[in-house]
Amino acid sequence: QVQLVQSGAEVKKPGASVKVSCKASGYTFTGYYMHWVRQVPGQGFEWMGWIMPNSGDTIYAQKFKGRVTMTRDTPISTAYMELGSLRSDDTAVYYCAKDAGYTGSFDIWGQGTVVTVSS
Amino acid sequence: DIQMTQSPSTLSASVGDRVTITCRASQSISTYLAWFQQKPGKAPKRLIHRASTLESGVPSRFSGSGSGTEFTLTISSLQPDDFATYYCQQYNSYWTFGQGTKLEIK
Repeated sequence: QVQLVQSGAEVKKPGASVKVSCKASGYTFTGYYMHWVRQVPGQGFEWMGWIMPNSGDTIYAQKFKGRVTMTRDTPISTAYMELGSLRSDDTAVYYCAKDAGYTGSFDIWGQGTVVTVSS
Repeated sequence: DIQMTQSPSTLSASVGDRVTITCRASQSISTYLAWFQQKPGKAPKRLIHRASTLESGVPSRFSGSGSGTEFTLTISSLQPDDFATYYCQQYNSYWTFGQGTKLEIK
């Protein structure tokens, strides 16, 4: 079945970087955008950006430009999201989510990766 | 950015009740709206896309309606498994979410 499996929880210090992976299976990885979204406790969801696995093209939300980098490794059907210059308010659950194609929105989500930023 | 506003923030209801959650967009989004259900510690699950199209496998007691700036999610007869948090999401211009509606047992 179609699924996205993310890497495990991370604890980072302020100023550090974190890299989260998202391994796709059950569909053609290169055929659909991969989005990254975060859920900050008590603040809802924020869309961070997407990557087109086929080309590597990316679009980042304005809020994260300069701090986020999305990449992919197509032979292993894995997408990555790296967020730098971490602050305490980056503490959140980070999700990858598969674009749903012609139906729009996101149809499959990873299980989420908890990132805690604390000194 | 398009802002999405859900109401109510919390809804207390009983098994068998009919409930409605409202989502308003700050500008017209046509029918580019999805509804998600999220349970504690889990990823969101898409229930509806294009405002009213039910995902495969989602029970028919869930329904969505609306267009433009006002949308509703209705659960016709609440079941124990439905107590969760619900989010709307617009995808007309990038992607933004409502703040969520927590559906709790009365």
